Amino acid sequence: NAGVTQTPKFQVLKTGQSMTLQCAQDMNHEYMSWYRQDPGMGLRLIHYSVGAGITDQGEVPNGYNVSRSTTEDFPLRLLSAAPSQTSVYFCASSYTLDYEQYFGPGTRLTVT
Amino acid sequence: GQQLNQSPQSMFIQEGEDVSMNCTSSSIFNTWLWYKQDPGEGPVLLIALYKAGELTSNGRLTAQFGITRKDSFLNISASIPSDVGIYFCAGQLGNQFYFGTGTSLTVIP
Repeated sequence: NAGVTQTPKFQVLKTGQSMTLQCAQDMNHEYMSWYRQDPGMGLRLIHYSVGAGITDQGEVPNGYNVSRSTTEDFPLRLLSAAPSQTSVYFCASSYTLDYEQYFGPGTRLTVT
Repeated sequence: GQQLNQSPQSMFIQEGEDVSMNCTSSSIFNTWLWYKQDPGEGPVLLIALYKAGELTSNGRLTAQFGITRKDSFLNISASIPSDVGIYFCAGQLGNQFYFGTGTSLTVIP
């Protein structure tokens, strides 16, 4: 199993540009989530999904969209990038909500 | 959002020493998780706790789910240089996981 994979590993955007961060898992996990990690603030939940076709907002959803058309994939879209979205983004998955989460390697995003 | 207070923020210890860190919350959590993160990497799960009072070990690591379900601690015995990193606690409430701000561990050989 590849586990949780994320692409790209690094990205630089200009303010106002849009892009999609990709996340995929091959463990048949139902629960998937996106976090952002900022210095001194730990990880904060952006959006999550409890299964294909079902998504919901986390703690800091503004400026981000998600969709879950398949069990394997959970892309995160930045609609109009802002410097405040400069962060490291992690995707995670677990078998169900009650099981431990496994994280991808992260995408380091800089918005200028 | 939920506040998880993790302490200490940082620790500098000699190789071979034991380490203890903890997380507290004002909310009751259903699950407590402990992760380690190396620079430039994603967090890696160390221990998962599912029941109040549960004490679980993973090699030199031991973690406990507090009786009140509002706290958890992680102990590392006989630290080694590769224990260096940032340790995060996480608690599950409803459909979400909430993370502490991390404990940065430095092990001096």
